[in-house]
Amino acid sequence: AQSVTQLGSHVSVSEGALVLLRCNYSSSVPPYLFWYVQYPNQGLQLLLKYTSAATLVKGINGFEAEFKKSETSFHLTKPSAHMRDAAEYFCAVSGGSNYKLTFGKGTLLTVNP
Amino acid sequence: DGGITQSPKYLFRKEGQNVTLSCEQNLNHDAMYWYRQDPGQGLRLIYYSQIVNDFQKGDIAEGYSVSREKKESFPLTVTSAQKNPTAFYLCASRKREPSHEQFFGPGTRLTVL
Repeated sequence: AQSVTQLGSHVSVSEGALVLLRCNYSSSVPPYLFWYVQYPNQGLQLLLKYTSAATLVKGINGFEAEFKKSETSFHLTKPSAHMRDAAEYFCAVSGGSNYKLTFGKGTLLTVNP
Repeated sequence: DGGITQSPKYLFRKEGQNVTLSCEQNLNHDAMYWYRQDPGQGLRLIYYSQIVNDFQKGDIAEGYSVSREKKESFPLTVTSAQKNPTAFYLCASRKREPSHEQFFGPGTRLTVL
């Protein structure tokens, strides 16, 4: 069984400030971990992924995430927020032979000018 | 360009009617998935298929049906047995090794009148 908890359904930051979106996971097998971004009324776009290689993963649009096995965490960060980062962000875990994705409930990021 | 298409973008249905959502991919992926998205609940898996002519129920399959007659196509039927069908529906396909990441279509918003 696997599960994902995203702490904070809504995060608000000022433009230029640090973005930190939290994700904790549970998995009975070595996990694959993903962060996706969704803009209103659109599909999901992959930001970055962890697949048991480097624990610090860099993605698109300046985002990165660090896999911490001891904390079962995969938090998403960006040093400086931009207005275009305003969107909903989903953390997901995959594992097992069918590679089903289990999603967190999402975090809505608001960026204030 | 390779990708996933979903049609229609918006769909309106009267209560008691069945409706079929289309999903087509030209990424040559074997596995395909259907998710339902409701505000504040993240994405939940309805059905998935790992190969042509085979599919499995996900977490919320009741009131839905699928077919997988071709590798490229994975249509979803929302039947009249689905008690609360108004939602945003997302189709995805999965890449093979090494990351097994899923690629998403643009979604179909279904509204029951």
